[in-house]
Amino acid sequence: GEDVEQSLFLSVREGDSSVINCTYTDSSSTYLYWYKQEPGAGLQLLTYIFSNMDMKQDQRLTVLLNKKDKHLSLRIADTQTGDSAIYFCAEAGGYQKVTFGTGTKLQVIP
Amino acid sequence: GAVVSQHPSWVICKSGTSVKIECRSLDFQATTMFWYRQFPKQSLMLMATSNEGSKATYEQGVEKDKFLINHASLTLSTLTVTSAHPEDSSFYICSAHPPGAEAETQYFGPGTRLLVL
Repeated sequence: GEDVEQSLFLSVREGDSSVINCTYTDSSSTYLYWYKQEPGAGLQLLTYIFSNMDMKQDQRLTVLLNKKDKHLSLRIADTQTGDSAIYFCAEAGGYQKVTFGTGTKLQVIP
Repeated sequence: GAVVSQHPSWVICKSGTSVKIECRSLDFQATTMFWYRQFPKQSLMLMATSNEGSKATYEQGVEKDKFLINHASLTLSTLTVTSAHPEDSSFYICSAHPPGAEAETQYFGPGTRLLVL
């Protein structure tokens, strides 16, 4: 089945950039997403990228997609303490089934 | 944006009792809703796809008699954990896909934390 992998933990200083990486195995993925989960809460969609795109920028967020290597990254510019959370990448070939990564816990040090 | 709610937000119950969790789409109709389970420090695992007016589709390894799903209306799906046991303690999250949403995105409820004693 589909597999989505992420590093478990990332620590950055406030004001620095954060880069969270993700690899996936399903070459038929149509959309790739980044979700944010704060403690005890549900998931909040941050951004997504269509599989035929290489990059998408949305304010402080930049998503890079290397479809050949099946590698997805999320860059958060000027990271703030409020960005501390768990970030999940996810892939879907259609909304009927979304596969989530293992999640990366981002810790922002003041 | 689309809003999905869940009720209750947390529940504690005794072993052997049944617990019902509701998932509602507040400002859109959803013919399909999804139920996920998340263990501490782990990712979300899809349990089942809830289809309005028909039977739910369960993922491999999920007991349909244990986790009863009812999607009786276009805005409400319920998950009932029957005869709950401590190993059922988890964070249950539902999601729905609003018709016409960009990139076929799903919107998630805030989750229900279940603790079975």
